[in-house]
Amino acid sequence: EPEVTQTPSHQVTQMGQEVILRCVPISNHLYFYWYRQILGQKVEFLVSFYNNEISEKSEIFDDQFSVERPDGSNFTLKIRSTKLEDSAMYFCASSEWGQGAETQYFGPGTRLLVL
Amino acid sequence: KQEVTQIPAALSVPEGENLVLNCSFTDSAIYNLQWFRQDPGKGLTSLLLIQSSQREQTSGRLNASLDKSSGRSTLYIAASQPGDSATYLCAVIISNTGKLIFGQGTTLQVKP
Repeated sequence: EPEVTQTPSHQVTQMGQEVILRCVPISNHLYFYWYRQILGQKVEFLVSFYNNEISEKSEIFDDQFSVERPDGSNFTLKIRSTKLEDSAMYFCASSEWGQGAETQYFGPGTRLLVL
Repeated sequence: KQEVTQIPAALSVPEGENLVLNCSFTDSAIYNLQWFRQDPGKGLTSLLLIQSSQREQTSGRLNASLDKSSGRSTLYIAASQPGDSATYLCAVIISNTGKLIFGQGTTLQVKP
């Protein structure tokens, strides 16, 4: 069964460093998402992406964050200058269709620790 | 602002028991509602999706209902098994961009 994959599974970085989290969505999916979950808190929406454009972003998704689909298979989340409060589990998700009507399939997550 | 609440926060039951997990949301203008399972330190596994026009969905031992007007959904698990132990998350989509708003989850423990 097709799955969303994410790399790396764990990343430790120093505050102020740039990190890139990578995701490979399910191959025929057109809509892509990033969420994050700070330890012990709710899963929070960061951004949705379709047709090489951001569809919606949350208040969390400030100028330090960016997303890109550099090729036909990868979807990346970049954090330019990490802060301690960026420490969280980051989940990528994808859906075949959008319009709010489709199941979103999540990857296993990347656990980011900022020291 | 849409808020999603799940009650109870934790639940412990003996194996074989039928159980109900509750989810409530403050704004009834949703596109759909999705139930997920999350195992410790793992990703989210989609269990069921209920469109806003639907009343319920079933998959195996799972049945999810939706009452949009009252802002409630329930996840019914029949004949619970130790393998059902996990955190169950409810999430609503409130726009056509697919943004999911999550509840805090209910952590279920099924004892053998």
